[in-house]
Amino acid sequence: AQSVTQLDSQVPVFEEAPVELRCNYSSSVSVYLFWYVQYPNQGLQLLLKYLSGSTLVKGINGFEAEFNKSQTSFHLRKPSVHISDTAEYFCAAYLTGGGNKLTFGTGTQLKVEL
Amino acid sequence: DTGVSQDPRHKITKRGQNVTFRCDPISEHNRLYWYRQTLGQGPEFLTYFQNEAQLEKSRLLSDRFSAERPKGSFSTLEIQRTEQGDSAMYLCASSSRADRAGANVLTFGAGSRLTVL
Repeated sequence: AQSVTQLDSQVPVFEEAPVELRCNYSSSVSVYLFWYVQYPNQGLQLLLKYLSGSTLVKGINGFEAEFNKSQTSFHLRKPSVHISDTAEYFCAAYLTGGGNKLTFGTGTQLKVEL
Repeated sequence: DTGVSQDPRHKITKRGQNVTFRCDPISEHNRLYWYRQTLGQGPEFLTYFQNEAQLEKSRLLSDRFSAERPKGSFSTLEIQRTEQGDSAMYLCASSSRADRAGANVLTFGAGSRLTVL
């Protein structure tokens, strides 16, 4: 079945260090890809999206992601994290044949430490 | 417009009771979605409306679940005869017409957390 895979359930990182949150999808054709962030007791907020065009996508709060079709990946990166980036991050995609169903990964908990 | 609103934010109920959640989407959005999120998991699609028409339903939406969007504005999600396995966060999202086929950008509400005792 087509799916979205987030390889790391938790990523601890020190403040001001770089971070990469990994996301792979299981489709061999073009997809639409998203990263959402969820702070405690809140809904999901869109960080960035890839629909077409440049494979490097910049989002809010200094995050960026790169669409890599050959590796079916859409990893999220930030060069220097802040304590306030501590949250759950979800990769999501519309997959071929999935209709209007946005499919989410299981999430990565980013914990930024001093 | 303050975004997508969900009510109540928290609901604690006893097994076997019925519960109803309400979602008010962004006013200019004609598409509305319900998702369910359990602890440690990503949101799972339940159902989707375009205006008042319910166009897609997940297998997760058993006969005990029913969703409506009678006037194409707010929506309700009702769970009848609740079970402990229904305990989850129920998320509502809305979107306008897609930029291109399939590329709906969803705006989520804060969610309604259900605890079934």
